[in-house]
Amino acid sequence: EAGVAQSPRYKIIEKRQSVAFWCNPISGHATLYWYQQILGQGPKLLIQFQNNGVVDDSQLPKDRFSAERLKGVDSTLKIQPAKLEDSAVYLCASSRPRLLGNTIYFGEGSWLTVV
Amino acid sequence: KQEVTQIPAALSVPEGENLVLNCSFTDSAIYNLQWFRQDPGKGLTSLLLIQSSQREQTSGRLNASLDKSSGRSTLYIAASQPGDSATYLCAVRMTSNYQLIWGAGTKLIIKP
Repeated sequence: EAGVAQSPRYKIIEKRQSVAFWCNPISGHATLYWYQQILGQGPKLLIQFQNNGVVDDSQLPKDRFSAERLKGVDSTLKIQPAKLEDSAVYLCASSRPRLLGNTIYFGEGSWLTVV
Repeated sequence: KQEVTQIPAALSVPEGENLVLNCSFTDSAIYNLQWFRQDPGKGLTSLLLIQSSQREQTSGRLNASLDKSSGRSTLYIAASQPGDSATYLCAVRMTSNYQLIWGAGTKLIIKP
């Protein structure tokens, strides 16, 4: 089966500019996650969707970050305006619904550098 | 608040050695624990998942153990190869809210 697809893979922007990342999860996976991973650290959950509803966005900086999953399939994460500390890799992941014993599958990430 | 710690942060060993990576957690009320591998410039790949009721899981040269009472998990890699070089992360899923709490990872280098 096809894996989690993310684009773009790499993006360099200036601070205060905006950027958007796209994710297409594995077919049939109702749960979709966006993580932020700063170099040398573990991933930090930004937002979790179950179908097109938000399950957890407690760590999403809502003044500058937004995410949507309008049709319960693919998702977009936006940052506006970007700050230097947003430089990180943004990982999208998906998993089957309600089967929490199953693992989650990650995309290869979108690498953001803010200069 | 759950804290997941992985020590050491980096490890370098000669090819062929057996090695152990450590993961410790402060709250034993976990649903499961997973070990992941991350290659440079790549996403995370799941290696092993241990349910809270299990003691260990094996896949090929990898064996992961879980001791909930002591808050520890180990990932054992037998007969290490240069291709095993990567960062290894553990993550625990909490029983209370099903959140995944991550360690910062151990960067492993296998020298040919």
